[in-house]
Amino acid sequence: DAGVIQSPRHEVTEMGQEVTLRCKPISGHDYLFWYRQTMMRGLELLIYFNNNVPIDDSGMPEDRFSAKMPNASFSTLKIQPSEPRDSAVYFCASSFRRSGASSYNEQFFGPGTRLTVL
Amino acid sequence: QKEVEQNSGPLSVPEGAIASLNCTYSDRGSQSFFWYRQYSGKSPELIMSIYSNGDKEDGRFTAQLNKASQYVSLLIRDSQPSDSATYLCAVTGAGNTPLVFGKGTRLSVIA
Repeated sequence: DAGVIQSPRHEVTEMGQEVTLRCKPISGHDYLFWYRQTMMRGLELLIYFNNNVPIDDSGMPEDRFSAKMPNASFSTLKIQPSEPRDSAVYFCASSFRRSGASSYNEQFFGPGTRLTVL
Repeated sequence: QKEVEQNSGPLSVPEGAIASLNCTYSDRGSQSFFWYRQYSGKSPELIMSIYSNGDKEDGRFTAQLNKASQYVSLLIRDSQPSDSATYLCAVTGAGNTPLVFGKGTRLSVIA
């Protein structure tokens, strides 16, 4: 079974350009999470969806960041305009709430997109 | 602000020894606790979950949880060079809120 799929794996762009990151969660998972990882700040949650609906976007750093999930098998994270401080690895993760389980948080991560903004 | 604290390391242990990784958390209402392993340049991989006080064993890995002390640990027995990685502790808050990750402890197993 395929895991979480992310594209592109690497992105190099210039300041001011629009960047779109893509994610396909594991089939059957109803939660999708976007994270950003840097050396300084570690792994930070940006936004998460449940059944395609955004639940908490309080981690989105600025209005330059937006995320959508038009259907259960696809999500995008967009940065417009991009800035050098956005350079990081962006991970998408998915999970599902097992029947009777107390937690949906056994998350499975995609390979990540390494973003460099020059 | 929920916080998860880990010693950044590196923690160096000889091959075959027990590696002990520790994590403390600030939210007393936290319910679920996870350990992820992250190799350099790779994504985090879930290796252990624990939900109640005590020990949980899975192969060479043992997770220990003490909610009264707000402390969770991971023991790796018979450490192998392939265990060299960064280990991330992750905790949910009260009400099953999303994971908060520590910054990780880098483990180096010396052959």
